[in-house]
Amino acid sequence: AQTVTQSQPEMSVQEAETVTLSCTYDTSESDYYLFWYKQPPSRQMILVIRQEAYKQQNATENRFSVNFQKAAKSFSLKISDSQLGDAAMYFCALPGETSGSRLTFGEGTQLTVNP
Amino acid sequence: EPEVTQTPSHQVTQMGQEVILRCVPISNHLYFYWYRQILGQKVEFLVSFYNNEISEKSEIFDDQFSVERPDGSNFTLKIRSTKLEDSAMYFCASIRDSQETQYFGPGTRLLVL
Repeated sequence: AQTVTQSQPEMSVQEAETVTLSCTYDTSESDYYLFWYKQPPSRQMILVIRQEAYKQQNATENRFSVNFQKAAKSFSLKISDSQLGDAAMYFCALPGETSGSRLTFGEGTQLTVNP
Repeated sequence: EPEVTQTPSHQVTQMGQEVILRCVPISNHLYFYWYRQILGQKVEFLVSFYNNEISEKSEIFDDQFSVERPDGSNFTLKIRSTKLEDSAMYFCASIRDSQETQYFGPGTRLLVL
């Protein structure tokens, strides 16, 4: 069975600083995708970034980037120049092993941004 | 940009009542999903739907739950005889292709009293 683990229930960062959120996972697939979703207080699930496992290059979206270590099954999210609006719960997610299957989510990391 | 929409945004019901949560997936999407999130917990998969039938369901999705795509646009989740523990945020998601990102609706907050 696939698992996704986020070992940091809470993190905090000063505004304009950089923070890294950790995620590890387990899958028997060799070709897959990984996602980070952001959930602000409104509780909407917003896609932050996506990584294809077959790509060696780490994905980047503006201030958000990932450190994808396939062999270690690690997928961390780096937020640079943190802004107050980045405060949210962040979930790491992994699709299932069959086509179009479910997402398995980690437990989430609550990020606080201090002014 | 196309969005997944969900109605209602909030629903309060009495224990034992039936509720129907509605979703309108993005128009050219083919795979549809329901997830739930109990307050303070992670997002849990309920069911996926493809080609007019359930393609996968979790252990949570028991006989109390059913899904339907009654027309070309709506995707509904019915909860029969609601229980207190059904109180949660329910999210609908959809994708066009199996390799794509799942896009989530804003959720329906269900409170069972």
